[in-house]
Amino acid sequence: DIVMTQSPVSLAVSLGDRATISCKSSQTLFYSSNNKNYLTWYQQKPGQPPRVLIYWASTREFGVPDRFSGSGSGTDFTLTISSLQAEDVAVYYCQQYFTTPYTFGQGTKLEIK
Amino acid sequence: EVQLVESGGGLVQPGRSLRLSCAGSGFTFDDFAMHWVRQAPGKGLEWVSGISWSGSTIAYAGSVKGRFTISRDNAKNSLYVEMDSLRVEDTALYFCARAKYSDGYVVGFDYWGPGTLVTVSS
Repeated sequence: DIVMTQSPVSLAVSLGDRATISCKSSQTLFYSSNNKNYLTWYQQKPGQPPRVLIYWASTREFGVPDRFSGSGSGTDFTLTISSLQAEDVAVYYCQQYFTTPYTFGQGTKLEIK
Repeated sequence: EVQLVESGGGLVQPGRSLRLSCAGSGFTFDDFAMHWVRQAPGKGLEWVSGISWSGSTIAYAGSVKGRFTISRDNAKNSLYVEMDSLRVEDTALYFCARAKYSDGYVVGFDYWGPGTLVTVSS
């Protein structure tokens, strides 16, 4: 199975500041035949199911604010929130869909400092 | 409006069985692969199982393989998972989720139900 490791486990950032979450995979998520990285980022707020933010590692889902961006390739990926808003308090997960089982990272809890 | 609603959760003793259902509406059910994802109380997300639109391709997480069976009935717009030999560690909120597609590939899950809670305890 592909192991997904996120860091940090929790993060406190001031409103308006940048938040950066890392996700590393135990195997490459890059598929050379289509030049894509098979990674998605989700946001989960308390009492709600997860919501897709980013797929193909860097493609923003329709309706997601442009302060959210994804980057990286191969085994190292990053989710960046450029200017933290109060409504961004949530747990963030990365997930690989390169192969089943479609494994998730353990989550990063983002709070306001 | 796309809706997914799970049912069938509850309290069950270790070793017993339970069947969860997920009713889909607001979309063409048999156009989409469907998945089960679970979340133990206060913990992270764990993908459990997935089934292709036709039911011909199925996959399981290692932790449930041989004990859980996923199926679907496209005529009833419904997804199921039969859970046998339940263990305490299967206690979780079980979500059904619709596959999201891009360029013909599954790229995650774009719609989720609210979940149904399964508690395995003696």
